[in-house]
Amino acid sequence: DAGITQSPRHKVTETGTPVTLRCHQTENHRYMYWYRQDPGHGLRLIHYSYGVKDTDKGEVSDGYSVSRSKTEDFLLTLESATSSQTSVYFCAIGYTGGSEAFFGQGTRLTVV
Amino acid sequence: TQLLEQSPQFLSIQEGENLTVYCNSSSVFSSLQWYRQEPGEGPVLLVTVVTGGEVKKLKRLTFQFGDARKDSSLHITAAQPGDTGLYLCAGESGGNQFYFGTGTSLTVIP
Repeated sequence: DAGITQSPRHKVTETGTPVTLRCHQTENHRYMYWYRQDPGHGLRLIHYSYGVKDTDKGEVSDGYSVSRSKTEDFLLTLESATSSQTSVYFCAIGYTGGSEAFFGQGTRLTVV
Repeated sequence: TQLLEQSPQFLSIQEGENLTVYCNSSSVFSSLQWYRQEPGEGPVLLVTVVTGGEVKKLKRLTFQFGDARKDSSLHITAAQPGDTGLYLCAGESGGNQFYFGTGTSLTVIP
């Protein structure tokens, strides 16, 4: 299995609070991705990174920010959590932009 | 957004039956991937197809990429309970982003 760890695995937070999810990899892959998975929508890309401090928006980036200060860590921040951001969040890594993506086990976030 | 539609959304079959899952789009993709996801886990890659008309086989699973690179299918022969899971297709159009389909949830009943 690819060395990719998401933390926390489960979190319940209140509306309006900031939340940070962490993705850590030990594979030295250049690309890292954050997706959210919701019933009926499949996986949707939030943000991705193609190197340290190099990030770009995905199709559902509003309300989210990311940072990548080290190759191995990619952080996803919900600036002010809303109930619509209740979801399962997956981090993925890839050697190149079009290569196989290896996924973490996911973080289940509930905003109440 | 480059929409990928999968059909059927849900599929429940008996062990030993054959099935086909479809992934369709109006967009052209430079490559397409199929993943399988089990409950509580992240998706795991099954195959990548890159050439229009390409057919790849993985044991009892057969994957085909459409000639125009807009659609793909996954055929499972003699389904087994271990095939149960959520099957996702994902298309890449050269922009370092994969667009995922909505998924097909397969249940194989022993």
